[in-house]
Amino acid sequence: GENVEQHPSTLSVQEGDSAVIKCTYSDSASNYFPWYKQELGKRPQLIIDIRSNVGEKKDQRIAVTLNKTAKHFSLHITETQPEDSAVYFCAANQAGTALIFGKGTTLSVSS
Amino acid sequence: DGGITQSPKYLFRKEGQNVTLSCEQNLNHDAMYWYRQDPGQGLRLIYYSQIVNDFQKGDIAEGYSVSREKKESFPLTVTSAQKNPTAFYLCASSTRGGSYEQYFGPGTRLTVT
Repeated sequence: GENVEQHPSTLSVQEGDSAVIKCTYSDSASNYFPWYKQELGKRPQLIIDIRSNVGEKKDQRIAVTLNKTAKHFSLHITETQPEDSAVYFCAANQAGTALIFGKGTTLSVSS
Repeated sequence: DGGITQSPKYLFRKEGQNVTLSCEQNLNHDAMYWYRQDPGQGLRLIYYSQIVNDFQKGDIAEGYSVSREKKESFPLTVTSAQKNPTAFYLCASSTRGGSYEQYFGPGTRLTVT
């Protein structure tokens, strides 16, 4: 089955800096790669996703890149703000299966 | 925050007792999922169901059971066989079985003493 590794487990940046979180997956059949943000005490919420036929996707300050050959994908947050502080999860799956999540990255943005 | 609900928010049980966690959705989603969240462990898949009356085990199904008698409902029973049941449990649903956004419920925090 699918296995997703996520790094780093914690990340501290200054406000305005960029943050990058990286994930690798094991199943070459996976074709959907979402990123979720979970604030303390709340449910995970989708912030961006990418499918295997696309190499990069942007949404304002957030971007995701995918390298299918190397089986890794990354989340990029530019111009970080204190409200970006949260736990971020990457995940992967293919049609007919459940999302398999990484262990999460705790991002802290200090002002 | 409507769409997918879990109840109760907090649940306390004594060791050795079975307990059932509720998950209901009104999004007309075909697929539903149960995850367990522990600090530093991410979200681990317990069970998932793509259609009514069908479900599959996830990575940590031992000590848990589910049913899917209705499209809207996917209850999870934590049995006394689950050795370490204290955790935060999240239910999710999606339009199809995989490759589509999963929407999460607010979660149930179960404490077993």
